[in-house]
This record gives sequence, structure tokens and C-alpha cells, in this order.
Amino acid sequence: AQSVAQPEDQVNVAEGNPLTVKCTYSVSGNPYLFWYVQYPNRGLQFLLKYITGDNLVKGSYGFEAEFNKSQTSFHLKKPSALVSDSALYFCAVRDIGQAGTALIFGKGTTLSVSS
Amino acid sequence: NAGVMQNPRHLVRRRGQEARLRCSPMKGHSHVYWYRQLPEEGLKFMVYLQKENIIDESGMPKERFSAEFPKEGPSILRIQQVVRGDSAAYFCASSPGRTGGYTFGSGTRLTVV
Repeated sequence: AQSVAQPEDQVNVAEGNPLTVKCTYSVSGNPYLFWYVQYPNRGLQFLLKYITGDNLVKGSYGFEAEFNKSQTSFHLKKPSALVSDSALYFCAVRDIGQAGTALIFGKGTTLSVSS
Repeated sequence: NAGVMQNPRHLVRRRGQEARLRCSPMKGHSHVYWYRQLPEEGLKFMVYLQKENIIDESGMPKERFSAEFPKEGPSILRIQQVVRGDSAAYFCASSPGRTGGYTFGSGTRLTVV
């Protein structure tokens, strides 16, 4: 079975500091991994994805994520946080080998960036 | 490109009524997914459909909930005899195929009173 864990309900950082939002996953085969962001009363917006290739993936708004197969992690990072980055972040996974399955999302991590 | 369109944005129903939520996928997308978002619970998968077929409904409650994606028209998520616990945000997403990421709609916020 596929699963995603986001161990932190909330992450607080000061503007200008680096941020990390953690995600670990479990799939039986090779994973497709995604990060989405949700602003209040809005739908989810795609940030980035890992399918294959370079372990460091760059995405929208200056975000990047590092795929670590041995640790089964896909942490979201940004070198310098902005107040406008404050939102709810979701990690998602699907097993490449499981055709016909949908993305499974973590519970989400609320990022709060203070000025 | 209008994106994924969901309507209505807000829906209020009394207990026992039916709720119908509509989702028009992005142009060229034939795969539709429905998710439910409850406070403190994140995004829960409900059902995955392709045109005229249900691919995976493992996340759908066994009773009162149904979904369809007809050959013509939007995908419909139908909740019969709604109860207060059905109050949530329901999101639809679409994709062009089985791989890749999804494009989400803005959601329908269902309130059962």
C-alpha cells in the first residue's frame, strides 16, 4: 500500500531564513512524488514533481525538493522564505508500477513565515 | 484554457437532501479524481474515473455516495441523504493520463445544516 507522512503539522520560520517541509513516503515500487500548495479557500496548486533523473528537483516560486531513495524522503526546501509563502503544503505519492491508482496525499503542513 | 471548473463553489443542504457536485476537467484531460478535505484530516482520495468508467472507488463511502463521468458533460459526485459529517471541501482534479501531476479545481464547499 502507498502512504505519505508529513511529520510536522506546522512549520514556523522567519522571513529570509531557509525553510524545510518534511515528507516521507512508502510505496512498493518506484515513486512518483509531488508537492502542492494550498492557499486559504483555494484549490491546490502544483509546485514540483519527481519522476526520474536528478534527485534535486526545482519547482515554482523558488521551491525545490530533494529525493532521497535510501531515506524514502522528499523534503521541500527554499533558501529564503517569504511571508507570501505562508500556506498549506501537501506532499503526494503514487507507485509508478501501479497503473490506475490515484495520488495519495499527506495530511499537510502549515507553513507560517513571520516578518 | 479554463482549467478545472467546479460548481457550485458553495453548497448548503439540509440533512436528508441530495448534493450534486460538478467537475469539468481541463480540455484534453480524460482522467478525473475526487478528493475530500476535512479539517485536521488532509486530503482524502475518494474516486478515480475515466470517461464512462470508474477506475478506483476505494475511497468512496459504501453508502450514499456515487460518482460518474459520462461520455458527454462533467463528472458528477452525488451524495444522497446528506448528514452533517458530509460537510467538507470536495476537490476535483484532472490529468491527461495515468502519469504526471494533477490540475485541481477550486473546490466545492458543502455545508450540511
